[in-house]
Amino acid sequence: AQKITQTQPGMFVQEKEAVTLDCTYDTSDPSYGLFWYKQPSSGEMIFLIYQGSYDQQNATEGRYSLNFQKARKSANLVISASQLGDSAMYFCAMREWGGGTSYGKLTFGQGTILTVHP
Amino acid sequence: DTEVTQTPKHLVMGMTNKKSLKCEQHMGHRAMYWYKQKAKKPPELMFVYSYEKLSINESVPSRFSPECPNSSLLNLHLHALQPEDSALYLCASSQGGAQGRVSNQPQHFGDGTRLSIL
Repeated sequence: AQKITQTQPGMFVQEKEAVTLDCTYDTSDPSYGLFWYKQPSSGEMIFLIYQGSYDQQNATEGRYSLNFQKARKSANLVISASQLGDSAMYFCAMREWGGGTSYGKLTFGQGTILTVHP
Repeated sequence: DTEVTQTPKHLVMGMTNKKSLKCEQHMGHRAMYWYKQKAKKPPELMFVYSYEKLSINESVPSRFSPECPNSSLLNLHLHALQPEDSALYLCASSQGGAQGRVSNQPQHFGDGTRLSIL
């Protein structure tokens, strides 16, 4: 079974508009963390935002915010005021505690390609 | 510029060649990772080193041989590769987390090495 599911292979948004990228996850571990990464066509993976399973508030980092709904096991990324430079592949990823033996292993979703139109 | 440096950025090699990929970080991170990524796919974990010891080997073929000479360096030695091994190879590093909880520290990725096997 997929641990991380990103159901949107591609998304389009107009410049300056907001966009939501979906991510659902599956785990029985009570301690886990959710990460979003951006990967431009040049290849580097850029960390955007983190949400821990025990965090009471939704994470925010500048124009990025995470809509964390624990009961629904969803961690959607919201990008406000989209810019042309936001066009990239976006990955949702999860790290589980695993009793401390997972050594920080990340499980990635399949990704969503975001295209920002002028 | 990323804080994880990978060299070379591009590598073309024949199936009988021996080459090495190098990764360096000076953030004091004690966990380092190798990933393989095919176009428009998520990164696939290959190896994890924790405190210079190999912690995870995701059943990677022996033609890939990792090495961690010290806490700042990670190598991936390549020998007798196949055309299907052509991919982007990403190195990452991270800190550990608080005792008893999953780490909230993101993995920091390098720009990757684009490897082509002729």
